[in-house]
This record gives sequence, C-alpha cells and structure tokens, in this order.
Amino acid sequence: ELKVEQNPLFLSMQEGKNYTIYCNYSTTSDRLYWYRQDPGKSLESLFVLLSNGAVKQEGRLMASLDTKARLSTLHITAAVHDLSATYFCAVDKDSNYQLIWGAGTKLIIKP
Amino acid sequence: EPEVTQTPSHQVTQMGQEVILRCVPISNHLYFYWYRQILGQKVEFLVSFYNNEISEKSEIFDDQFSVERPDGSNFTLKIRSTKLEDSAMYFCASSALDRNYEQYFGPGTRLTVT
Repeated sequence: ELKVEQNPLFLSMQEGKNYTIYCNYSTTSDRLYWYRQDPGKSLESLFVLLSNGAVKQEGRLMASLDTKARLSTLHITAAVHDLSATYFCAVDKDSNYQLIWGAGTKLIIKP
Repeated sequence: EPEVTQTPSHQVTQMGQEVILRCVPISNHLYFYWYRQILGQKVEFLVSFYNNEISEKSEIFDDQFSVERPDGSNFTLKIRSTKLEDSAMYFCASSALDRNYEQYFGPGTRLTVT
C-alpha cells in the first residue's frame, strides 16, 4: 500500500525565516505533486516533479525530488505572511493518475 | 484562464437522500477525477474517469457512488443514499493528456448530510 507522509504537520514561523517541509513516500512513483490550500478553498497546483533530481522554483518556494530516497522537499525562503496555507504533497500511485495524498502541513507565518 | 467549475458550492441533504454533484472540467482535458476531503483531514481519491469509463476507483467508492459524463461538458458524482459520514468537501479535477498529467481542481462542493 502506498503511503505518503509529511512532516511537520504544523509549522509556525516568523517572516524572513527559511524552512523545509518533507514528504516521504513508500513505493516508487513517476510523479510527485505539491499543492497549496487556503482555508475553505480549493487545491492550487504548485509543482509537478517528474524525475530524480528534479528541482523547481517559484518565487520563495523551491521543490525537489529524490526518487531513490523516495523523498521530496518543499523549501521556503525568507517566508512572508502570504505563504500561510496548508501544503500537501501527493504521489501518483502506479502511474495511473490516482493521487495519494500526504496529511498536509499547516504553515502559519507570523508578521 | 480555463478552470474547473463545480455546482452547487454547498449542498445540504438528509440522510438516505440521493445527491448529484456537478462538475465542468477544463474543455480540452480528457481525464476526470473526484476526490473528497473530510473537514481538517487529508484529501482522498475516489475515482478517475477516462474515455467514458472508470479507470480507477478507491475502496471508498462503493456501490452507493456512481459517476457519469452525461454530455460533452459535465461530469457528475452521484451518491445514492447519503450517510452522515459522507459529509465532506468534494473536489472535481481534470487533467490533459500530456507528460505532466497535472490535475487542476475545482472550487469544491461542501456536502452536509444531516
């Protein structure tokens, strides 16, 4: 059974600081996704990572994938309040487009 | 920019009633999905749909659930006899037939079963 684990599940940090969210998964997968969810809102796609060593950056967020370690990271640089949200990673099970989701990391960034 | 739309935004129903949740995927997308998210919990896959048939379904998607693409634009999720535990946010998503298979999500329908 494919399991996806995120940590931490909750993170409170000050503006301007750096931090990393980790996403571990239990079996091989071709695709890993990062999504953002604001309270009461839908899921916004942030990154799609397709291969070992893939690194993508958008603004203050950078995601990477190590398929050998079955680990993806989402790094936040110089956090700002607008990045407060819940961040989910999801893994494509058996390459059949069925996404298996982590529990989410609730990120609160204090001004 | 094209987006996935869902109706209604909020549905309240009594236990045992049938509900139909509606979605309009992005027009050139070929894969369609339903997910649910119980309040404060993780997102759970329900079903994927391609070429007018179910491609994958989870254990949650039992006989009380069904999906349909009744015309060229709508994609529906029917729950035949709702239970209290069906209360959740239901998200529709769609993806194109390209290398990324990135799934784009609709705004969701909040289903409350009383």
